[in-house]
Amino acid sequence: DAEITQSPRHKITETGRQVTLACHQTWNHNNMFWYRQDLGHGLRLIHYSYGVQDTNKGEVSDGYSVSRSNTEDLPLTLESAASSQTSVYFCASSEVRDEQFFGPGTRLTVL
Amino acid sequence: AQKVTQAQTEISVVEKEDVTLDCVYETRDTTYYLFWYKQPPSGELVFLIRRNSFDEQNEISGRYSWNFQKSTSSFNFTITASQVVDSAVYFCALSEAGNTDKLIFGTGTRLQVFP
Repeated sequence: DAEITQSPRHKITETGRQVTLACHQTWNHNNMFWYRQDLGHGLRLIHYSYGVQDTNKGEVSDGYSVSRSNTEDLPLTLESAASSQTSVYFCASSEVRDEQFFGPGTRLTVL
Repeated sequence: AQKVTQAQTEISVVEKEDVTLDCVYETRDTTYYLFWYKQPPSGELVFLIRRNSFDEQNEISGRYSWNFQKSTSSFNFTITASQVVDSAVYFCALSEAGNTDKLIFGTGTRLQVFP
């Protein structure tokens, strides 16, 4: 069965370190998204991609970057982790004009 | 600007009660899509429904029903005869045709169903 996976599921890091969160989907979807979930804010869009070599900034993109070298993967990198980036991160994928399928989430703690 | 408001932060009901979760949206587009997602205590996000702006028919799926009213910009979700397994955070979301497939989420409503 097709799926979308995220790794690691839990991560603790220190302020200033570079962190990469992986997202892999086997739906063969063109669209991929990264969101962060914080209490009182719901889910907010960080970055998104409509296909290979395409990346776009979302609502809360400062301090984050993504790259899309193939259809299946959209890794999210925190260039220099900050305590304000402690959150739960969700990756999602979709076909055009269709519902998004979400990964299980990654809980990131920045100390 | 697009926005989704879920004014109810938390709702508590007793099993078998009916409960309605409110969702009000703002958009300038005439073509848009509305969604509901469920996030149970285990944390994953589960898709429930997608509705496009041209289809105002109410939808029923088992104990779940959705009422879409363009006149009031609302897309409310009703659970009939609630069960403990319905306990979750429910998110309403909006996607505009002009902003291809990006979802704008509301802040969610936590539903607790007590036995």
